[in-house]
Amino acid sequence: GESVGLHLPTLSVQEGDNSIINCAYSNSASDYFIWYKQESGKGPQFIIDIRSNMDKRQGQRVTVLLNKTVKHLSLQIAATQPGDSAVYFCAETLNTGGFKTIFGAGTRLFVKA
Amino acid sequence: DAMVIQNPRYQVTQFGKPVTLSCSQTLNHNVMYWYQQKSSQAPKLLFHYYDKDFNNEADTPDNFQSRRPNTSFCFLDIRSPGLGDAAMYLCATSRAQGYEQYFGPGTRLTVT
Repeated sequence: GESVGLHLPTLSVQEGDNSIINCAYSNSASDYFIWYKQESGKGPQFIIDIRSNMDKRQGQRVTVLLNKTVKHLSLQIAATQPGDSAVYFCAETLNTGGFKTIFGAGTRLFVKA
Repeated sequence: DAMVIQNPRYQVTQFGKPVTLSCSQTLNHNVMYWYQQKSSQAPKLLFHYYDKDFNNEADTPDNFQSRRPNTSFCFLDIRSPGLGDAAMYLCATSRAQGYEQYFGPGTRLTVT
């Protein structure tokens, strides 16, 4: 069925290293993708998005890569900081007569000082 | 600052006792969403309003209802809460469908 999933449920990185969080999606009709960050006790927070007509988008310390051929999405965080510790969700949106957003399972990122 | 506000942050209700959660926004966004999130799981969309048009997800139980009296406010009504309805309830908004969503801090519901 349609789903968005992550390869790694937890990721532990050393402070200052780069982090890569991966996401696989199965719906080829999805045309908009978002990464959210959720800290403990808070709602998800928008990080970066990308539309299907692009394969890379950069923000401040974050980069999202989209590979439509293999239906893969990744979030790269440069120089990971303790404040980056959170759960990261990818979400895909598709328009099948009405918009539908599907969240992936989430990856917990631990940053070791 | 423009934002999404949820009240209360914590709600305790008894099994079977109706409860209402509220959400307000100062972003003037057209779309408002309600999600249920259980521990260590992804948010699950219950329904959303696009302006006054209500859109229910196919697998949302009838026990969950929503009202949007105006652009700024949206309510989640749980008519007869069960123990399985204990969760974090997240409200979100977006300027239109297919755009990024802005989330409130959530209301954690406990059912006793």
